[in-house]
Amino acid sequence: NAGVTQTPKFQVLKTGQSMTLQCAQDMNHEYMSWYRQDPGMGLRLIHYSVGAGITDQGEVPNGYNVSRSTTEDFPLRLLSAAPSQTSVYFCASSLGGGTSYEQYFGPGTRLTVT
Amino acid sequence: KNEVEQSPQNLTAQEGEFITINCSYSVGISALHWLQQHPGGGIVSLFMLSSGKKKHGRLIATINIQEKHSSLHITASHPRDSAVYICAVNKNTGNQFYFGTGTSLTVIP
Repeated sequence: NAGVTQTPKFQVLKTGQSMTLQCAQDMNHEYMSWYRQDPGMGLRLIHYSVGAGITDQGEVPNGYNVSRSTTEDFPLRLLSAAPSQTSVYFCASSLGGGTSYEQYFGPGTRLTVT
Repeated sequence: KNEVEQSPQNLTAQEGEFITINCSYSVGISALHWLQQHPGGGIVSLFMLSSGKKKHGRLIATINIQEKHSSLHITASHPRDSAVYICAVNKNTGNQFYFGTGTSLTVIP
C-alpha cells in the first residue's frame, strides 16, 4: 500500500492564482481531512469528509473548496491564493467515519504565495 | 485559549534520560492521540488512548480522563527520538480533531 499520497510536495503561487492540491489513499478509508500547519500553531482543520459525496467545513475553511467523488481522492482547491495561505498542508485519512481511529498522514505540501 | 495545551514547548535531553511530555485538554473527549513529526515533516501516529496506559517499545502513553491529562514518556532516550511530539483530541461530539502546538524534543548524544 502507498498509504496517503499528496502532490505536489512544493508549490509557489502568485496572489490570485488558483490551484488544486491532490490527496489520495489506497486503504479504503472513509474519513479524510485537510489540515494546515503554521509556525507556533497546532494543525488546524480546513475541511473533512466522512465518505464519498459528503464533506463538511472545519475550523479554517475560508478560501478553500473540497469535493469527494470517490473514496480514494480528496482534492483541496485554492480559489484565489492569498499570502495568508502560505503554509504546509497535510492530508490525512482514517478507517472510520469518526475520529476514534488512527490517523494516517500524507507527506505534506509546502505552499508559498507571493 | 487553545483546547489542547502541551508542555514543555521545547525540551533538550541527554541521551539515556527519561523524558515526559504533558498534554492537558479542556473538553470532553472520546479519544486522545499522540503523534510524532519528524524533522523532514512527516507525521506518524504513535498512540490512540481512551483510558489507562499503552506501551510500544520505549514509549509509554498514559491518560487520566477525570483530570483531563495525558503524558507521553520516553525511556532511555536516543538522538533518533528527536522530533516534534503532538497531542490531539477528538471531542465526544463531532468528527474533528483538535491539536496541541507540539513539543520539540532534541536528544543530544
